[in-house]
Amino acid sequence: GAVVSQHPSRVICKSGTSVKIECRSLDFQATTMFWYRQFPKKSLMLMATSNEGSKATYEQGVEKDKFLINHASLTLSTLTVTSAHPEDSSFYICSAPGTRKETQYFGPGTRLLVL
Amino acid sequence: QKEVEQNSGPLSVPEGAIASLNCTYSDRGSQSFFWYRQYSGKSPELIMSIYSNGDKEDGRFTAQLNKASQYVSLLIRDSQPSDSATYLCAVYKNAGNNRKLIWGLGTSLAVNP
Repeated sequence: GAVVSQHPSRVICKSGTSVKIECRSLDFQATTMFWYRQFPKKSLMLMATSNEGSKATYEQGVEKDKFLINHASLTLSTLTVTSAHPEDSSFYICSAPGTRKETQYFGPGTRLLVL
Repeated sequence: QKEVEQNSGPLSVPEGAIASLNCTYSDRGSQSFFWYRQYSGKSPELIMSIYSNGDKEDGRFTAQLNKASQYVSLLIRDSQPSDSATYLCAVYKNAGNNRKLIWGLGTSLAVNP
């Protein structure tokens, strides 16, 4: 299957700072990537769809000014959590469609802790 | 009604038994169905996809799809303790510009040695 990487795997930051998470497709090109958030013992929540060369599509209730998404190239999408607060602490996971577009391959996730 | 529903469990089975996981969906037009496994603290891993009515087997895993009844299931034969995880059912929504996977809440499986 396709390989997706994320960096960093874990980050701890102070309240009010911004955190950037990178998602890369390593052996394929991805014009679309998906960003999810998952709280402990809860299911995945789609935050936004990242589109190379155009604006991201945000799900209802997700603040686009707080969660900035940039799809800089066919292999890289970034999520920036701006002015992070403790309630933003969560597991953030990206995914990219495979050869068959309905299939998604997930990165290993980034665990964010805001103090 | 939720778009994709799963019993949250936990489902507990003894080692060597068959684990049966079920999922129902609301969109009758759905064509693509997936089972993902997620270990605690890790990201989901695709284990099965199914697109046609009937059974699809891959090793110890069998996915079953019944579009008329709008359910998809996953059978795990000869369950092992390493199969203990949360199993997520996902259905692909293909609606114009809004194409995405719709996720169930997951079923927690515990395989007891």
